[in-house]
Amino acid sequence: GENVEQHPSTLSVQEGDSAVIKCTYSDSASNYFPWYKQELGKRPQLIIDIRSNVGEKKDQRIAVTLNKTAKHFSLHITETQPEDSAVYFCAARSGNTGKLIFGQGTTLQVKP
Amino acid sequence: NAGVTQTPKFQVLKTGQSMTLQCAQDMNHEYMSWYRQDPGMGLRLIHYSVGAGITDQGEVPNGYNVSRSTTEDFPLRLLSAAPSQTSVYFCASSYSTFRGSDTEAFFGQGTRLTVV
Repeated sequence: GENVEQHPSTLSVQEGDSAVIKCTYSDSASNYFPWYKQELGKRPQLIIDIRSNVGEKKDQRIAVTLNKTAKHFSLHITETQPEDSAVYFCAARSGNTGKLIFGQGTTLQVKP
Repeated sequence: NAGVTQTPKFQVLKTGQSMTLQCAQDMNHEYMSWYRQDPGMGLRLIHYSVGAGITDQGEVPNGYNVSRSTTEDFPLRLLSAAPSQTSVYFCASSYSTFRGSDTEAFFGQGTRLTVV
């Protein structure tokens, strides 16, 4: 079945450094790849997404890259700030079933 | 426009009890789904629906039932609660991927369920 693997599970960086989170997916029919940020006690909220016909997308300090051949995609956060500290989830949506499958999550800590 | 509304926010059940978690959306989304969130496990898909009258199983469906009689509502039923079902439950909705438009999933505020 569909599976999404996410690494690392925890990531600690100094304020101002970059953070990279990587995900791989198994379903070749996946065509939509969102990233969600979840603060403690809150619901997940979309921060950026990318579709299978695009290789890279950027929105201010965050960017996502997609390698369809290798079935992996990554989130890049530059100039990290303490308010970036949260749990980040990647996900892949199947173009066949519509199922949205999530990775296990990455807890990002940005130290001031 | 309320988005995705889940009730209740908190619930404590005794082993063997049944209950229904409610989820409603007012965005006319075709696709609705239920996830459970456990530490270190991410968000795992329980059941999903691509439209009224259509439901299907996700990654962890055992012990849960769903129905989709209207576009707006997608309740999740626990038939006989077990301690292993202690978790945070999220409902989410989006436009169908087959629509070809934006398919961002919007989440409800979550239900924290404890089974004792």
